[in-house]
Amino acid sequence: ELKVEQNPLFLSMQEGKNYTIYCNYSTTSDRLYWYRQDPGKSLESLFVLLSNGAVKQEGRLMASLDTKARLSTLHITAAVHDLSATYFCALNTGNQFYFGTGTSLTVIP
Amino acid sequence: DAGVIQSPRHEVTEMGQEVTLRCKPISGHDYLFWYRQTMMRGLELLIYFNNNVPIDDSGMPEDRFSAKMPNASFSTLKIQPSEPRDSAVYFCASSPQGGSYEQYFGPGTRLTVT
Repeated sequence: ELKVEQNPLFLSMQEGKNYTIYCNYSTTSDRLYWYRQDPGKSLESLFVLLSNGAVKQEGRLMASLDTKARLSTLHITAAVHDLSATYFCALNTGNQFYFGTGTSLTVIP
Repeated sequence: DAGVIQSPRHEVTEMGQEVTLRCKPISGHDYLFWYRQTMMRGLELLIYFNNNVPIDDSGMPEDRFSAKMPNASFSTLKIQPSEPRDSAVYFCASSPQGGSYEQYFGPGTRLTVT
């Protein structure tokens, strides 16, 4: 059974600190996505990673993909309160799309 | 563009009733996805369409669920009869052609079956 595992599931961090969220998956992947979801809201696309070694950055967030290790990371630099949300990685393989369990991030002032 | 539009935003119904959820994708997008989100199971892909044709419906939980896309600007997800375990947030998402399958999500429909 295909698995998309994120860790940590919950993350509380202080403003200004750096941290990394990990997304491990158990099969070869065509594409890897990162989404953000605010409480009670919909999902917002952050990054689309299409190839091994892909790195994308937007503001304080940077995502990378290592297809050989079946690992994607979402790195947060100098966190601010506005980044508090749940972050999902998602995997596309063949005709299927699988979402990770999500990482609930709380940035403390 | 207005983004993906879903209706209703909230639906409360009694067990056994038919429920129809509606979605209007972003104009020009060729892919449409239906997801269900619950605390227990997270986000699950139910079905998706390409150019109005169902591509994969392996995530549809059972025969009580059905989805249609009669044209490029409209899709429905129907549950008949509904059960309390169907209570969830149902998201519709659309994606343009091009191969990246980057998805743009609608606001969701929160369904409560009592």
